[in-house]
Amino acid sequence: GAVVSQHPSRVICKSGTSVKIECRSLDFQATTMFWYRQFPKQSLMLMATSNEGSKATYEQGVEKDKFLINHASLTLSTLTVTSAHPEDSSFYICSASVLAGVSTDTQYFGPGTRLTVL
Amino acid sequence: DAKTTQPNSMESNEEEPVHLPCNHSTISGTDYIHWYRQLPSQGPEYVIHGLTSNVNNRMASLAIAEDRKSSTLILHRATLRDAAVYYCILRDPNSGGSNYKLTFGKGTLLTVNP
Repeated sequence: GAVVSQHPSRVICKSGTSVKIECRSLDFQATTMFWYRQFPKQSLMLMATSNEGSKATYEQGVEKDKFLINHASLTLSTLTVTSAHPEDSSFYICSASVLAGVSTDTQYFGPGTRLTVL
Repeated sequence: DAKTTQPNSMESNEEEPVHLPCNHSTISGTDYIHWYRQLPSQGPEYVIHGLTSNVNNRMASLAIAEDRKSSTLILHRATLRDAAVYYCILRDPNSGGSNYKLTFGKGTLLTVNP
């Protein structure tokens, strides 16, 4: 149980185009979803936290107009990288939390999406 | 968030136990100790978490020092599939708000030799 999927797993796009990444919780309802970015040889950096039906909370330094997050349902969140540039090339990972704030809460991570911007 | 300190890398042999240490000397009384691991080119995977008592599950054991300033993740018999980066993270579920988030450090890169 507690499976999170991401689509696509890999995407290559031209500079200036927009890319949408989907994150789905397959067998549970996620109250909170998180989006992370990971550059080569570095650790995960949290980009934003989103709750279903409300606006995402972005971490300091993350441009909310460039990284659009929509959390339309308890099982789906999307991240759109608008006007992508080569420096946006990275590994994007989402996670979903069932009981955020509860001691037994854990985050379940998707397999990641490798974005390459040419 | 209270910080954790882990060795950059460790090596182990297949079929042998592995003890991955984590120091968290500034841990607060309500911080839980979480461990996640990340296999190459994959998203992180939850391993185990605990507060004060030692914890066991099918993946690993977590030994927590009596003063809670350090903990050790124990893999009882390492396999090649256990080669990953292991992250020790502190979380306070009672803080609310954005403190639900996980803050990843650099973790420990575990290499398992056949």
